[in-house]
Order: sequence, then C-alpha cells, then structure tokens
Amino acid sequence: DGGITQSPKYLFRKEGQNVTLSCEQNLNHDAMYWYRQDPGQGLRLIYYSQIVNDFQKGDIAEGYSVSREKKESFPLTVTSAQKNPTAFYLCSSGTGPYGYTFGSGTRLTVV
Amino acid sequence: AQSVTQLGSHVSVSEGALVLLRCNYSSSVPPYLFWYVQYPNQGLQLLLKYTSAATLVKGINDFEAEFKKSETSFHLTKPSAHMSDAAEYFCAVSPMDSSYKLIFGSGTRLLVRP
Repeated sequence: DGGITQSPKYLFRKEGQNVTLSCEQNLNHDAMYWYRQDPGQGLRLIYYSQIVNDFQKGDIAEGYSVSREKKESFPLTVTSAQKNPTAFYLCSSGTGPYGYTFGSGTRLTVV
Repeated sequence: AQSVTQLGSHVSVSEGALVLLRCNYSSSVPPYLFWYVQYPNQGLQLLLKYTSAATLVKGINDFEAEFKKSETSFHLTKPSAHMSDAAEYFCAVSPMDSSYKLIFGSGTRLLVRP
C-alpha cells in the first residue's frame, strides 16, 4: 500500500543534541512537507520541498534543517538552535488538487 | 496572508445528535479546502476535500461539508454522532498558488457524550 512512513515514533533529545526525523513516501509525490504540532495551535509549516534538491522555509524554520536528495525521502533535523523542540512532528506529501497524505508522526521530547 | 478560523476549540454533543464544526477562511479566490480528523498520537486522516467541483462535499463516515463562497465558510456536519467520532478535527486550506502549502486552523476537539 502506498503511504508515508515516519520514524521513529518516539524520540528523546538531550540538550544541545541534533536529532534527525525520517520521512519516506512511496506515493510518487513531488511535494513533501514538515509540520510541527503543539497543543491548541494546530499545525505549523516548518519546511517544504516541491522537487528533489530544492526546498523552502515555512513559517517556523529557525532551528531546523532539511534535505531532499531523493524523491522518496525528506528527513528533518532538529538542531541545538531549536530552543523548544518538544512537539509532535508530522510529514506530508501531495498537492492541493489531489490532496495530501500524512504520516503517523514522531513525538520528540527533550530530556 | 491566508488564514483559517475554526470557531470553538471544544465542541460537545450527545451520541446521536447533529455534529457541526465551523470553519471560515480568508481568501479573495476560493482555495482548495480540506477537513482532517486526528486521533490521539496519530497522523491526520482526510475526511473530505473541496476542489471547485460540487459545493456540497461528501466524505467518509457520513461527514459532509458545504462550501459557501459568499460566507467564506466550509462547515463540517454529520447527522448523527457516534462515540467513535470523538477526536480532533482540523480545517485546512491550500491557496491556488504554486506552493500548494496547507494552512491549518487551530483545531476543534469533538467530545461525544453517551
């Protein structure tokens, strides 16, 4: 079945540590997106990529980085510059006319 | 900039009652419109979408939404609530521009009383 796989489901980060969240899709979508979800705030766009080797900052890109070396993969790195990284992170792919598919999310906690 | 407003962070209904979740968007050009449902610690599941075809959109699990351009609204309804409908619901818009970014409302948590 086609879909989006996010891993790990739970991730713990120590202060000052960089961590990478994985997102893989087999839907043959060109566009992929990363969102951050905090309670009561809905989802906010971190980064998006419309094509391989290209990506753009979203509304809250500070402290995050991404790469898009393959069509299927769009990993997100949470750097030590992100001072409040505890949140639920969702990866998505697709476009407006055809709809968007979401992964099951990664819950990141600072310990 | 586009924005989405969901009225009511929490909505409580009795089982069997009508469900109405409100969504208004700001745009001079009708965008693509979506409703998603999220269960705890899970991703988002698409309920329905509006892409400039019929204004009354039917989705999964008897949900439907009506696009009203004059009111810039896309409210979600279900005739009879089930306990399994208890979840968080998000309205989202995708502007008809080249980015195809999704812009989300802040969500409405639906509580279903037995």
